[in-house]
Amino acid sequence: DAGVTQSPTHLIKTRGQQVTLRCSPKSGHDTVSWYQQALGQGPQFIFQYYEEEERQRGNFPDRFSGHQFPNYSSELNVNALLLGDSALYLCASSLRAANGYTFGSGTRLTVV
Amino acid sequence: AQSVSQHNHHVILSEAASLELGCNYSYGGTVNLFWYVQYPGQHLQLLLKYFSGDPLVKGIKGFEAEFIKSKFSFNLRKPSVQWSDTAEYFCAVSFSSNTGKLIFGQGTTLQVKP
Repeated sequence: DAGVTQSPTHLIKTRGQQVTLRCSPKSGHDTVSWYQQALGQGPQFIFQYYEEEERQRGNFPDRFSGHQFPNYSSELNVNALLLGDSALYLCASSLRAANGYTFGSGTRLTVV
Repeated sequence: AQSVSQHNHHVILSEAASLELGCNYSYGGTVNLFWYVQYPGQHLQLLLKYFSGDPLVKGIKGFEAEFIKSKFSFNLRKPSVQWSDTAEYFCAVSFSSNTGKLIFGQGTTLQVKP
């Protein structure tokens, strides 16, 4: 059990569509980060949410947006999907912005 | 730019062999260092981490890593690998200027032959 729950586990979308991925952090954690892991690559940081605000952002276009709710859960939204957005999307949680994140099992997004 | 590099992309070992996976990072300031493992079909799991103190860090499952500041390195070691260590290993770094963000290496696939 990862402690971090992500849904759905798999998703297939068509180019141009929009997608929402969901994450429930480990109990007691208040900070959520999202990562994109392309096949054969290490995870790439998308952004981090703390106290319902985006605190840091990686090198991703504005098509990628997110939200954190008062219960610390989070959503990742991607608009105008491209084939290159196909990847494993990982959510990681921690207490405050301290390090040592716990990762979820990810959502496998396929764009066709 | 801040970056992390793992030198070995694919390592094949026989059981009981010793393991060392290399990890170097590009930044000269304060860093926090991590090794994660991803078993087939499973989520990323933290093997060990270094924040400060003793540069030799012991983690789970018999793994250890040594932080050598002068070489910007954080190599992962295990004296005797088992078939169950077959997995992908990721080195990750957070830099003092950006503590909330982990930068990952490309990963090393370890295959242990029984």
